[in-house]
Amino acid sequence: SQELEQSPQSLIVQEGKNLTINCTSSKTLYGLYWYKQKYGEGLIFLMMLQKGGEEKSHEKITAKLDEKKQQSSLHITASQPSHAGIYLCGADGTGNTGKLIFGQGTTLQVKP
Amino acid sequence: EADIYQTPRYLVIGTGKKITLECSQTMGHDKMYWYQQDPGMELHLIHYSYGVNSTEKGDLSSESTVSRIRTEHFPLTLESARPSHTSQYLCASSDSWTPDVIFGPGTRLTVL
Repeated sequence: SQELEQSPQSLIVQEGKNLTINCTSSKTLYGLYWYKQKYGEGLIFLMMLQKGGEEKSHEKITAKLDEKKQQSSLHITASQPSHAGIYLCGADGTGNTGKLIFGQGTTLQVKP
Repeated sequence: EADIYQTPRYLVIGTGKKITLECSQTMGHDKMYWYQQDPGMELHLIHYSYGVNSTEKGDLSSESTVSRIRTEHFPLTLESARPSHTSQYLCASSDSWTPDVIFGPGTRLTVL
């Protein structure tokens, strides 16, 4: 079965610094999703990547999917306290089924 | 405004009670899902539906049941709640034309 590994598990950065979160799959990804979650709340959809080499940006957050479609990175530029939360990557292993498996999450703290 | 709603947001009940967690979406999505999130933050699919009168069990075994009588409504029922059911339950939806999976705010269930 497919597994997703996120790194790092937790991250503390100073406001204004850049950071990167990685998500690695044991198998080829058909769709890779990035979500943000505040503790105890629902998941906020950030971006979804499907094609090898694809890159998407929204405000100061950029997500990339490598050519082999087994690794994705989420990069935050000039972090702000509002970026704090838990970042989760999810993968659709069989192709647009919506049935996602998730990594264990990365907890981000941004110090003012 | 198109969205996905879950009620109640928080529920504390005693062992043996029957409960129903409600999920509704106004986006016209044909696919709906229930995920369970344990204290370690990992999310697991417990039920999914690809349309009215279609329901399937997910990867994680669950004692809960679901129904899909209307496109917009996907309730989850526990006939006899136990402390082991204590968790966060997240409802999500998507459609067959766009791969974005949108999550609701979640229901945090505590069984005493």
